[in-house]
Amino acid sequence: EVQLVESGGGLVQPGGSLRLSCAASGFTFSDHYMDWVRQAPGKGPEWVARVRNKAFSYSTEYAASVRGRFTILRDDSKNSVYLQMNSLKTEDTALYYCARRGLYGGTDMWGQGTMVTVSS
Amino acid sequence: DIQMTQSPSSLSASVGDRITITCRASQGISSNVAWFRQKPGEAPKSLIYGASNLQSGVPSKFSGRASGTDFTLTISSLQPEDFGTYYCQQHNSYPITFGQGTRLEIK
Repeated sequence: EVQLVESGGGLVQPGGSLRLSCAASGFTFSDHYMDWVRQAPGKGPEWVARVRNKAFSYSTEYAASVRGRFTILRDDSKNSVYLQMNSLKTEDTALYYCARRGLYGGTDMWGQGTMVTVSS
Repeated sequence: DIQMTQSPSSLSASVGDRITITCRASQGISSNVAWFRQKPGEAPKSLIYGASNLQSGVPSKFSGRASGTDFTLTISSLQPEDFGTYYCQQHNSYPITFGQGTRLEIK
């Protein structure tokens, strides 16, 4: 079955850190760019970060709101992508989705999400 | 950043109706637009890529069109299961951005 399964969410205090994981299965993970997209309660989706594939040297892109605090990385040997989140702020509270970029562009597949709550 | 202005913000329609949702990009983005539907408590579902191409398994009642910086999603023969919030996404340049969403209610 083709799927993305996120884990690692939870409650963390402002200034804290958290590492999200996404395990992919059912497709050739190494072919695809992978994204993290978040959605705050009652809001629309917000793109967070992208990691390209090996052909593009695993290069990365970030939203301005997380650049310098979040790091996206992947391990093709484990069919997994990660999001290391440091210096968390209350405004980072959201459901975090792992998402696959389709081979022709645009997101074509989403996980079920993992909730991150930043609160004291 | 490229802004995607989506309209209408909400829409109520009857079974069998045909509806159209529009996204206007703040600058040229070629055909690099995708469309999604999200139901409450669920992850988004991808519908269209490249402005007009159906994702695998998406029925042909969904169609997308591009005209300059205007992008439309049309759903024909509405059914009760088509309810939800629809979003457009531009993936032409970073940061990738989404429209504000259109909440579709079936009467």
